[in-house]
Formats: sequence, structure tokens, C-alpha cells
Amino acid sequence: DQQVKQNSPSLSVQEGRISILNCDYTNSMFDYFLWYKKYPAEGPTFLISISSIKDKNEDGRFTVFLNKSAKHLSLHIVPSQPGDSAVYFCAAGSYNTDKLIFGTGTRLQVFP
Amino acid sequence: DSGVTQTPKHLITATGQRVTLRCSPRSGDLSVYWYQQSLDQGLQFLIQYYNGEERAKGNILERFSAQQFPDLHSELNLSSLELGDSALYFCASSVLAGGTGELFFGEGSRLTVL
Repeated sequence: DQQVKQNSPSLSVQEGRISILNCDYTNSMFDYFLWYKKYPAEGPTFLISISSIKDKNEDGRFTVFLNKSAKHLSLHIVPSQPGDSAVYFCAAGSYNTDKLIFGTGTRLQVFP
Repeated sequence: DSGVTQTPKHLITATGQRVTLRCSPRSGDLSVYWYQQSLDQGLQFLIQYYNGEERAKGNILERFSAQQFPDLHSELNLSSLELGDSALYFCASSVLAGGTGELFFGEGSRLTVL
């Protein structure tokens, strides 16, 4: 039962353009959502989060949008840079449990 | 550098064997989490400890066990290994039990079962 889904295994974007990574979830009880970035041979690192009571959170070039009615969130990276090339994981959690549920990841490649 | 240390980084063993993966959390973090990442799979939550006590359990097989010691380091024990146990095993830590989900991950231990 995959509660958090990232249906696009990969995405290729030109440098300077917008990257949009998508994530869908099935459990309406999630309280917060996060995006993690993972480079090869490294562990995932926290990128940005959003509470379920908000619909947008922005941090520099990164913006996360949450559409609760559609159970969908997206990560926008503008402008994309070659250093953004990595695997991005969407994750969701609840205040009453301690575990994060991760998606399968989307590999982003930003080319010059 | 996340501050979370995992050893060994790589491990190759045979089916039926037993291995132990070790994790040292960030200084001051009381919670330790174990995740498994198999090929083309997301991060599957295995188990969480908070200050020495088991706090949450995920899809952890009965052949697997874990513990957190008084000095807060944690070990994940994998026994009767099967080919399908080959994966990256990540440890993560956080200050609180629960909270808003920001976990700090180690670099992972890559287990290959032949």
C-alpha cells in the first residue's frame, strides 16, 4: 500500500527553466509534507516542508505547493541549476506517529 | 555532513548469514530511525527508537531486529539473509520523537547478499 506516490521516475530540464516535481498521497490524515534531495553516495537531505494547513511554502528557488482536495503536492525549482541534479523524495508524516512515509523518488537531471 | 555516522559503508555477505549495521546519531538527537531502500524503491520505514525505547515499527521483517543503546547509538541486526535483503540501509536521527519530520540521514550502508 503505497501511501505516497511519485509517478515520474525521472525528469530532464534545461538549466534556467522551471523544474516541477509531483507527488500524490492517499492518506488525508497527514499533517505535514517534506521534500528531500539525495545525491549519489550520500544520504537524503532535507530541502523544504509544508504543513497541511498551508497551501504554499517558499524558500529561495524552491517552492512547495499543497492541494489537499486533490491530495497532491509539487515542488517547483526556479531557475533550475545543474547542481540541482539529484533524486528528490517526497515524504509525509503525522503528528501522532513518528514515521515518515516516503515516495519512490524522482531523478531530476538539469542540463546546460 | 549530516552528523549521522553509519558503519560499515559496504558489506558483502552470503545468504543465510547475519550482519549488524551500526548508527551513531547526531550529537543531542534522541530519536533514531532505520530505513531500507531497495532497487527502484522508495525509502521503506523499518523502525524507530527514542531514547532507548522502541517508538514506532514499520515493515520490518521478523528476521530483522534493532536496538538503541544508552549512549544512543543504534544497531540493526539482519539475520538469515536472503538475496532480496540486498539494499541500502539508512539511519536517520532527530531531536524529538515526532515533530515536523526533519530527519538527518547518514550516508547509508550498502548490503549485498550473494
